This record gives sequence, C-alpha cells and structure tokens, in this order.
Amino acid sequence: GAGVSQTPSNKVTEKGKYVELRCDPISGHTALYWYRQSLGQGPEFLIYFQGTGAADDSGLPNDRFFAVRPEGSVSTLKIQRTERGDSAVYLCASSLSPQSSYNEQFFGPGTRLTVL
Amino acid sequence: ILNVEQSPQSLHVQEGDSTNFTCSFPSSNFYALHWYRWETAKSPEALFVMTLNGDEKKKGRISATLNTKEGYSYLYIKGSQPEDSATYLCAFCRKTSYDKVIFGPGTSLSVIP
Repeated sequence: GAGVSQTPSNKVTEKGKYVELRCDPISGHTALYWYRQSLGQGPEFLIYFQGTGAADDSGLPNDRFFAVRPEGSVSTLKIQRTERGDSAVYLCASSLSPQSSYNEQFFGPGTRLTVL
Repeated sequence: ILNVEQSPQSLHVQEGDSTNFTCSFPSSNFYALHWYRWETAKSPEALFVMTLNGDEKKKGRISATLNTKEGYSYLYIKGSQPEDSATYLCAFCRKTSYDKVIFGPGTSLSVIP
C-alpha cells in the first residue's frame, strides 16, 4: 500500500520568501506529525494533528510557521518570510492513532529545504 | 527538559564486525521506546517498539534490549554489512503524553566493505 508521501522532495528558496510543504499520510491514519531535522540532530517535534485539529503546536519555533490539515488527511506546513536558519529536512509522519502500537510512526521521505 | 541521548554520535566499523550503541532516556513515566533506521535519501523505518522492562527484540542480525528502571536501551548489530550503514534513531514516549515522541540525535553508522 502507499506510504507517507511528501512534496516537494527538495525546495530551494531565497531569504524572505514563502514556502509550502505538503504531506500525504497513510489512508486512515488519524494522527499526523511534522518534525524538523537539522544536521547532526534528531528530528525535532513541530506540530501534531489529531484529525483536523492541531492537538499540540508547541514545537513551532515562531509565528512564521503554520500548518493546516483541513480535511483530516493531507497537511501543509507553511513558512513565511523564510530565514537561512530554516534550512533543514522537514519530515512528516503519521500513525493510526497515538494509542495504537505505542504511537509507532510511519515517515515520509522528507522535504529538504534550503534557504539562500 | 526531556532529554533523549544517544552514543556514540557516529561509528565506523569494518564489514563483519559486531557493534552496539546506546540510547538513554528519563527512567520515570515510561510508555514506550522506539528504534528507527534512517538510510540516506529514504524514510526513517521502524525497527522495534519496546514497552516492558527487560524486553529483548530481534530482527535478523539486529537486536535490542530495554532497561526502563535505569533508562537505557542498547541496539546490537551482529556481523555488520554495508547495507546496515544508516542513522539509528531512538525515540521515547512518556505515559502522561504518549502522543508526543521525543527523538534522540541518532547514531550514524558506516560499515566499510
């Protein structure tokens, strides 16, 4: 079956521009997570959706970052006025629910964002 | 602050060598410990979910143990092969917030043919 997909796989943008990163989770998975992974570090939690609502957005670094999941499936991570420090791999993961399989997560391949 | 640590940060071994690395996590409020393998240009892939103190899990040449009382897990690879080259991530879930997964920084393994 189809796994988690993310588009684009690579995105190069200029400082100050707006970007959108898309995640298509596994069908039927109610929980969706966004992480950011910088060089030499593990995935850092950004935001988690249960269904359509953001259950926990405490990891979003500032108000330039925003994410939506309007129909409870596809999610978009939006970054305004990008800065060079936003350059990272953005990972999306989904799980059937946090209670199933002890919240085992299924990851997409990530979007590598480079801000020049 | 909830810290999940992994050591070593990186490791280079010869093909055929056995190796192991460590994940340490808070010993209180334990719910689950996950191990993932992340190969370059691929998605992180789940290896093990460990939930009980004393758990031992095995998949082929890879195995893992769990000690929740002291807050550590070991991952072992027997007879390393070049295809084992990857970053190995551990991730911790607390009982009081099991919907949030905290990742360690990973151990990068390179197996030299």
